[in-house]
Amino acid sequence: KNEVEQSPQNLTAQEGEFITINCSYSVGISALHWLQQHPGGGIVSLFMLSSGKKKHGRLIATINIQEKHSSLHITASHPRDSAVYICAVGTFGNEKLTFGTGTRLTIIP
Amino acid sequence: ETGVTQTPRHLVMGMTNKKSLKCEQHLGHNAMYWYKQSAKKPLELMFVYSLEERVENNSVPSRFSPECPNSSHLFLHLHTLQPEDSALYLCASSQEWGSSYEQYFGPGTRLTVT
Repeated sequence: KNEVEQSPQNLTAQEGEFITINCSYSVGISALHWLQQHPGGGIVSLFMLSSGKKKHGRLIATINIQEKHSSLHITASHPRDSAVYICAVGTFGNEKLTFGTGTRLTIIP
Repeated sequence: ETGVTQTPRHLVMGMTNKKSLKCEQHLGHNAMYWYKQSAKKPLELMFVYSLEERVENNSVPSRFSPECPNSSHLFLHLHTLQPEDSALYLCASSQEWGSSYEQYFGPGTRLTVT
Protein backbone atom coordinates (compact mmCIF):
# COMPACT_ATOMS: atom_id res chain seq x y z
CA LYS A 1 0.00 0.00 0.00
CA ASN A 2 1.33 3.41 -0.91
CA GLU A 3 1.63 5.96 1.86
CA VAL A 4 1.15 9.58 0.82
CA GLU A 5 2.34 12.43 3.01
CA GLN A 6 1.79 16.10 2.36
CA SER A 7 3.50 19.07 3.93
CA PRO A 8 2.77 21.48 5.33
CA GLN A 9 -0.69 20.62 6.68
CA ASN A 10 -1.56 24.31 6.87
CA LEU A 11 0.00 27.29 5.12
CA THR A 12 -0.86 30.97 5.44
CA ALA A 13 0.84 33.49 3.18
CA GLN A 14 0.49 37.04 1.95
CA GLU A 15 -0.90 37.81 -1.47
CA GLY A 16 1.85 37.71 -4.08
CA GLU A 17 4.06 35.19 -2.31
CA PHE A 18 5.48 32.12 -4.02
CA ILE A 19 3.87 28.98 -2.59
CA THR A 20 5.26 25.45 -2.44
CA ILE A 21 3.30 22.40 -1.30
CA ASN A 22 5.03 19.04 -1.03
CA CYS A 23 3.95 15.44 -1.49
CA SER A 24 5.99 12.33 -0.71
CA TYR A 25 5.03 8.75 -1.36
CA SER A 26 6.52 5.42 -0.41
CA VAL A 27 6.13 3.13 -3.44
CA GLY A 28 6.79 3.55 -7.16
CA ILE A 29 3.83 5.11 -8.91
CA SER A 30 2.10 5.07 -12.26
CA ALA A 31 0.69 8.58 -11.91
CA LEU A 32 0.43 11.44 -9.42
CA HIS A 33 -2.52 13.81 -9.26
CA TRP A 34 -2.84 17.26 -7.73
CA LEU A 35 -6.38 18.30 -6.82
CA GLN A 36 -7.88 21.52 -5.47
CA GLN A 37 -10.84 21.59 -3.09
CA HIS A 38 -12.56 24.88 -2.37
CA PRO A 39 -14.72 25.56 0.70
CA GLY A 40 -18.09 23.98 -0.04
CA GLY A 41 -16.49 20.75 -1.17
CA GLY A 42 -16.08 20.73 -4.95
CA ILE A 43 -12.83 19.14 -6.15
CA VAL A 44 -11.02 20.13 -9.33
CA SER A 45 -8.20 18.17 -10.93
CA LEU A 46 -5.22 20.45 -11.47
CA PHE A 47 -2.53 18.14 -12.83
CA MET A 48 -1.80 14.53 -13.58
CA LEU A 49 1.86 13.67 -14.13
CA SER A 50 4.20 10.72 -14.10
CA SER A 51 7.48 12.50 -14.82
CA GLY A 52 9.02 15.94 -15.23
CA LYS A 53 7.06 19.13 -14.92
CA LYS A 54 3.72 20.62 -15.98
CA LYS A 55 2.59 24.24 -15.97
CA HIS A 56 -0.86 25.78 -16.18
CA GLY A 57 -1.11 29.52 -15.67
CA ARG A 58 0.39 30.35 -12.27
CA LEU A 59 0.52 26.71 -11.20
CA ILE A 60 3.51 24.43 -11.70
CA ALA A 61 3.76 20.78 -10.71
CA THR A 62 7.01 18.86 -10.62
CA ILE A 63 7.83 15.27 -9.82
CA ASN A 64 11.09 13.51 -8.94
CA ILE A 65 10.59 9.80 -9.48
CA GLN A 66 13.89 8.76 -7.87
CA GLU A 67 13.15 10.73 -4.69
CA LYS A 68 9.43 9.79 -4.70
CA HIS A 69 8.50 13.42 -4.27
CA SER A 70 6.30 15.99 -6.00
CA SER A 71 5.82 19.70 -5.47
CA LEU A 72 3.02 22.06 -6.40
CA HIS A 73 4.07 25.67 -6.82
CA ILE A 74 1.86 28.74 -7.08
CA THR A 75 3.42 31.95 -8.35
CA ALA A 76 2.00 35.40 -7.52
CA SER A 77 -0.51 33.88 -5.08
CA HIS A 78 -3.97 35.41 -4.81
CA PRO A 79 -6.73 35.10 -2.19
CA ARG A 80 -8.76 33.05 -4.68
CA ASP A 81 -6.03 30.38 -4.45
CA SER A 82 -7.16 29.72 -0.88
CA ALA A 83 -8.25 26.09 -0.85
CA VAL A 84 -7.18 22.62 0.22
CA TYR A 85 -4.65 21.05 -2.15
CA ILE A 86 -4.68 17.26 -2.29
CA CYS A 87 -2.05 14.90 -3.67
CA ALA A 88 -3.09 11.44 -4.86
CA VAL A 89 -1.04 8.61 -6.35
CA GLY A 90 -1.75 5.54 -8.40
CA THR A 91 0.46 2.47 -8.12
CA PHE A 92 1.29 -0.02 -10.85
CA GLY A 93 -1.09 -2.95 -10.62
CA ASN A 94 -3.55 -1.04 -8.43
CA GLU A 95 -6.09 1.14 -10.18
CA LYS A 96 -7.22 2.91 -7.01
CA LEU A 97 -5.82 6.27 -6.03
CA THR A 98 -4.29 6.78 -2.58
CA PHE A 99 -4.97 10.26 -1.26
CA GLY A 100 -3.00 12.50 1.06
CA THR A 101 -4.76 14.40 3.84
CA GLY A 102 -4.36 17.71 2.03
CA THR A 103 -2.69 21.08 2.61
CA ARG A 104 -4.95 23.95 3.63
CA LEU A 105 -3.70 27.14 1.97
CA THR A 106 -4.88 30.59 3.02
CA ILE A 107 -3.75 33.65 1.09
CA ILE A 108 -4.24 36.93 2.95
CA PRO A 109 -4.86 40.09 0.90
CA GLU B 1 -25.65 21.05 -18.24
CA THR B 2 -22.02 19.94 -18.21
CA GLY B 3 -19.68 18.08 -15.88
CA VAL B 4 -20.71 16.00 -12.90
CA THR B 5 -23.80 16.91 -10.90
CA GLN B 6 -24.99 15.58 -7.56
CA THR B 7 -28.30 15.83 -5.75
CA PRO B 8 -29.18 16.67 -3.11
CA ARG B 9 -26.41 19.01 -2.02
CA HIS B 10 -27.37 18.68 1.63
CA LEU B 11 -29.21 15.87 3.40
CA VAL B 12 -30.20 15.37 7.02
CA MET B 13 -31.60 11.97 7.88
CA GLY B 14 -32.44 9.94 10.93
CA MET B 15 -30.89 6.57 11.55
CA THR B 16 -34.05 4.75 10.50
CA ASN B 17 -34.59 6.66 7.26
CA LYS B 18 -33.94 5.46 3.73
CA LYS B 19 -32.61 7.98 1.22
CA SER B 20 -30.70 8.00 -2.04
CA LEU B 21 -27.92 10.15 -3.43
CA LYS B 22 -27.86 10.77 -7.16
CA CYS B 23 -24.94 11.48 -9.47
CA GLU B 24 -25.06 12.28 -13.16
CA GLN B 25 -22.19 12.87 -15.56
CA HIS B 26 -22.47 14.55 -18.94
CA LEU B 27 -18.92 13.81 -20.07
CA GLY B 28 -19.37 10.48 -21.86
CA HIS B 29 -17.12 8.75 -19.32
CA ASN B 30 -17.11 4.99 -18.74
CA ALA B 31 -16.12 4.94 -15.06
CA MET B 32 -17.92 6.42 -12.06
CA TYR B 33 -16.89 6.52 -8.42
CA TRP B 34 -18.32 7.15 -4.96
CA TYR B 35 -15.98 8.63 -2.35
CA LYS B 36 -16.51 9.48 1.32
CA GLN B 37 -14.72 12.47 2.86
CA SER B 38 -14.76 12.75 6.65
CA ALA B 39 -13.23 15.63 8.57
CA LYS B 40 -9.44 15.50 8.74
CA LYS B 41 -9.25 12.19 6.87
CA PRO B 42 -8.16 11.46 3.31
CA LEU B 43 -10.72 10.73 0.64
CA GLU B 44 -11.93 7.15 0.93
CA LEU B 45 -12.95 5.25 -2.17
CA MET B 46 -16.24 3.42 -1.66
CA PHE B 47 -17.32 2.00 -5.01
CA VAL B 48 -16.26 2.05 -8.64
CA TYR B 49 -18.35 1.22 -11.67
CA SER B 50 -16.82 0.65 -15.09
CA LEU B 51 -19.20 0.28 -18.03
CA GLU B 52 -22.03 -0.17 -15.52
CA GLU B 53 -20.32 -3.08 -13.76
CA ARG B 54 -19.09 -2.75 -10.19
CA VAL B 55 -15.33 -3.26 -10.23
CA GLU B 56 -14.44 -2.14 -6.73
CA ASN B 57 -16.20 -2.43 -3.39
CA ASN B 58 -13.87 -1.08 -0.78
CA SER B 59 -15.13 -2.97 2.29
CA VAL B 60 -18.12 -0.67 2.59
CA PRO B 61 -20.88 -1.60 5.08
CA SER B 62 -24.03 -3.02 3.51
CA ARG B 63 -26.08 -0.04 4.71
CA PHE B 64 -24.60 1.69 1.64
CA SER B 65 -25.90 0.21 -1.61
CA PRO B 66 -24.76 1.54 -4.99
CA GLU B 67 -26.63 1.32 -8.25
CA CYS B 68 -25.49 2.18 -11.76
CA PRO B 69 -28.42 1.87 -14.20
CA ASN B 70 -26.42 3.30 -17.11
CA SER B 71 -23.03 4.87 -17.75
CA SER B 72 -24.31 8.38 -17.02
CA HIS B 73 -26.03 7.79 -13.69
CA LEU B 74 -24.91 6.53 -10.32
CA PHE B 75 -26.92 6.21 -7.13
CA LEU B 76 -25.99 5.56 -3.53
CA HIS B 77 -28.88 4.13 -1.52
CA LEU B 78 -28.68 4.72 2.21
CA HIS B 79 -30.51 2.88 4.97
CA THR B 80 -30.16 2.56 8.75
CA LEU B 81 -27.10 4.79 8.80
CA GLN B 82 -25.05 5.60 11.87
CA PRO B 83 -23.98 9.07 13.09
CA GLU B 84 -20.38 8.26 12.05
CA ASP B 85 -21.60 8.07 8.46
CA SER B 86 -22.03 11.84 8.50
CA ALA B 87 -19.61 13.12 5.87
CA LEU B 88 -19.27 14.67 2.44
CA TYR B 89 -20.08 12.12 -0.28
CA LEU B 90 -18.43 12.85 -3.59
CA CYS B 91 -19.13 11.35 -6.96
CA ALA B 92 -16.51 11.36 -9.71
CA SER B 93 -16.12 10.08 -13.24
CA SER B 94 -13.21 9.36 -15.57
CA GLN B 95 -12.81 8.31 -19.17
CA GLU B 96 -11.88 4.80 -18.07
CA TRP B 97 -11.29 3.03 -14.74
CA GLY B 98 -7.72 3.44 -13.62
CA SER B 99 -5.33 5.66 -11.70
CA SER B 100 -3.84 7.14 -14.88
CA TYR B 101 -7.12 8.81 -15.85
CA GLU B 102 -8.08 12.26 -14.64
CA GLN B 103 -11.12 12.22 -12.41
CA TYR B 104 -13.87 14.82 -12.57
CA PHE B 105 -15.71 15.42 -9.31
CA GLY B 106 -19.20 16.54 -8.51
CA PRO B 107 -19.91 19.18 -5.83
CA GLY B 108 -20.72 16.56 -3.20
CA THR B 109 -23.62 15.82 -0.89
CA ARG B 110 -23.15 16.91 2.73
CA LEU B 111 -24.84 14.17 4.76
CA THR B 112 -25.76 14.53 8.41
CA VAL B 113 -27.13 11.51 10.27
CA THR B 114 -29.00 12.36 13.45
